[in-house]
Amino acid sequence: AQTVTQSQPEMSVQEAETVTLSCTYDTSESDYYLFWYKQPPSRQMILVIRQEAYKQQNATENRFSVNFQKAAKSFSLKISDSQLGDAAMYFCAYRSFNTNAGKSTFGDGTTLTVKP
Amino acid sequence: ETGVTQTPRHLVMGMTNKKSLKCEQHLGHNAMYWYKQSAKKPLELMFVYNFKEQTENNSVPSRFSPECPNSSHLFLHLHTLQPEDSALYLCASSQELARGLAGFRTGELFFGEGSRLTVL
Repeated sequence: AQTVTQSQPEMSVQEAETVTLSCTYDTSESDYYLFWYKQPPSRQMILVIRQEAYKQQNATENRFSVNFQKAAKSFSLKISDSQLGDAAMYFCAYRSFNTNAGKSTFGDGTTLTVKP
Repeated sequence: ETGVTQTPRHLVMGMTNKKSLKCEQHLGHNAMYWYKQSAKKPLELMFVYNFKEQTENNSVPSRFSPECPNSSHLFLHLHTLQPEDSALYLCASSQELARGLAGFRTGELFFGEGSRLTVL
């Protein structure tokens, strides 16, 4: 079974600074997706960024980028120029490429605080 | 309306009550999910429906009963719940491939805002 580990329950960052959230996973599969989801307080969870395992290039979405290390099974999220609106719980998630409507395995989450 | 909507947003019920949570997606997706989110615990997948067929029941107690009348609607019927069932229940949807077909999908889940359930 796949597992996802987020070792940082809480992180804080100064506004306009950069922060990196860690995620490691365990799998025996070679084809899969990795995701970072954001859940602001009392608001719905939304996708921040997605990485397909077969792609060597790290995904980027504006101020959000990932460092995907397939051999090390590591998938960290970097948030540049942090904004107050980035404060949320962030979940790292894994999904097998080969299943239809399959399980997405989530980490425990990292609560990010942004200080003005 | 757009996206995934859940009602009610908040629900308080006694242990002997029967209530239902409703989820509706306006994205044209063909898979829908129920997740349970408790404090200090990771998201727990409860049920999966793919093309209206239940494909996953993650050892959920029978006091939770899902219903998926069509690809756009998903219900979670609740009866004789326990206080430990108090949690945020999240509905999600995704676009999946029909069985036997190859093709691209993003694998992304689209979530509703959740229904906060309190069992007294």
